[in-house]
Amino acid sequence: KQEVTQIPAALSVPEGENLVLNCSFTDSAIYNLQWFRQDPGKGLTSLLLIQSSQREQTSGRLNASLDKSSGRSTLYIAASQPGDSATYLCAVRIGSQGNLIFGKGTKLSVKP
Amino acid sequence: GAGVSQSPSNKVTEKGKDVELRCDPISGHTALYWYRQSLGQGLEFLIYFQGNSAPDKSGLPSDRFSAERTGGSVSTLTIQRTQQEDSAVYLCASSLVGGAYYEQYFGPGTRLTVT
Repeated sequence: KQEVTQIPAALSVPEGENLVLNCSFTDSAIYNLQWFRQDPGKGLTSLLLIQSSQREQTSGRLNASLDKSSGRSTLYIAASQPGDSATYLCAVRIGSQGNLIFGKGTKLSVKP
Repeated sequence: GAGVSQSPSNKVTEKGKDVELRCDPISGHTALYWYRQSLGQGLEFLIYFQGNSAPDKSGLPSDRFSAERTGGSVSTLTIQRTQQEDSAVYLCASSLVGGAYYEQYFGPGTRLTVT
């Protein structure tokens, strides 16, 4: 059974720091991996989607890497801002129909 | 364009009552997914629609849960005889095409509280 783990569960950093969020999964037979952010009381916003054949994806200050063989992904956030404060979720797809298996998230707080 | 919308945004119901939750996917998206987010459980998959068909209902937690999709668009998730453990945020997502390679876009969710 595929399990997705995110470490740390919570993280607090001062504004301007670069930071890394970690995601690991137990079964390397994934189609792709997707990072989301969730703001309190809101739905999920897709940040980056990495296909299994890719090693990384970048969007603005965000960079996500994927090492499928070791079952790991990282989300790197450069020059963090208070507006980055949210819960970050990692999810993998293992079935052809596309349903996602989620980790429990990392709650990020960026202090001004 | 308009994103995924869900209604109601909040629903409080008494134990034993039936509830219906609605999802309006992005126009033109053929695939639709329901997920549930419970405290301590994280996000879990409930059901997937391709068009009006639900090839995978494996995530539905009990036979009190059912869902339908009509016209390849709106979907409703129905919970009969609600229990307190059904309290959660129910999230809907849609994607252009069903399958593993396409991004899912999520709605804001319906927060269900069973008293």
